[in-house]
Amino acid sequence: EAQVTQNPRYLITVTGKKLTVTCSQNMNHEYMSWYRQDPGLGLRQIYYSMNVEVTDKGDVPEGYKVSRKEKRNFPLILESPSPNQTSLYFCASSLVGTSGLYEQYFGPGTRLTVT
Amino acid sequence: TQLLEQSPQFLSIQEGENLTVYCNSSSVFSSLQWYRQEPGEGPVLLVTVVTGGEVKKLKRLTFQFGDARKDSSLHITAAQPGDTGLYLCAGGRDSGTYKYIFGTGTRLKVLA
Repeated sequence: EAQVTQNPRYLITVTGKKLTVTCSQNMNHEYMSWYRQDPGLGLRQIYYSMNVEVTDKGDVPEGYKVSRKEKRNFPLILESPSPNQTSLYFCASSLVGTSGLYEQYFGPGTRLTVT
Repeated sequence: TQLLEQSPQFLSIQEGENLTVYCNSSSVFSSLQWYRQEPGEGPVLLVTVVTGGEVKKLKRLTFQFGDARKDSSLHITAAQPGDTGLYLCAGGRDSGTYKYIFGTGTRLKVLA
């Protein structure tokens, strides 16, 4: 089954304790992205990657790191989490559709709470 | 900073009614997408519109991209309870990049 998987789905952690949220896709998509979703603010793009070893900042990259060492995986790293990073996180992968535009497939989300 | 504003924020209607959701910006977008998100799940792509004035239909859903490519609307005819969810619009910033901005969403509830 074609899908984007994220782990963990739920995480409660403390301020300053490094964590990684994994994202993997089995659709051979070149493009991947991380978003956070907060009430009243919608989805905001954190980082995106247009190919292996190619990453770029989205709108809210502060406090996050990513890496793209292989095509299928795009982990999100929080080196020193803070309470303002409490949010619902989504990973997405994309192919270029017939319209020449990106068709994004989203993972199920990771709910992170930082205390 | 480009912003996408959606209205209304919340909408509760009876089954069989029609509704329109709006997505507006002061900026021009290269493309506009609509997604539906259900609780506990990620957004699911419904449609992509590219050309100013473009209209696309998906069963009872009609999507339109504004002539100036700054706004879009989603019209649902004869809404059904299965249409319940969070509707999100997303604008492509620059052709050839994977940068997207999402609207704040319209939460729709269709009552049986």
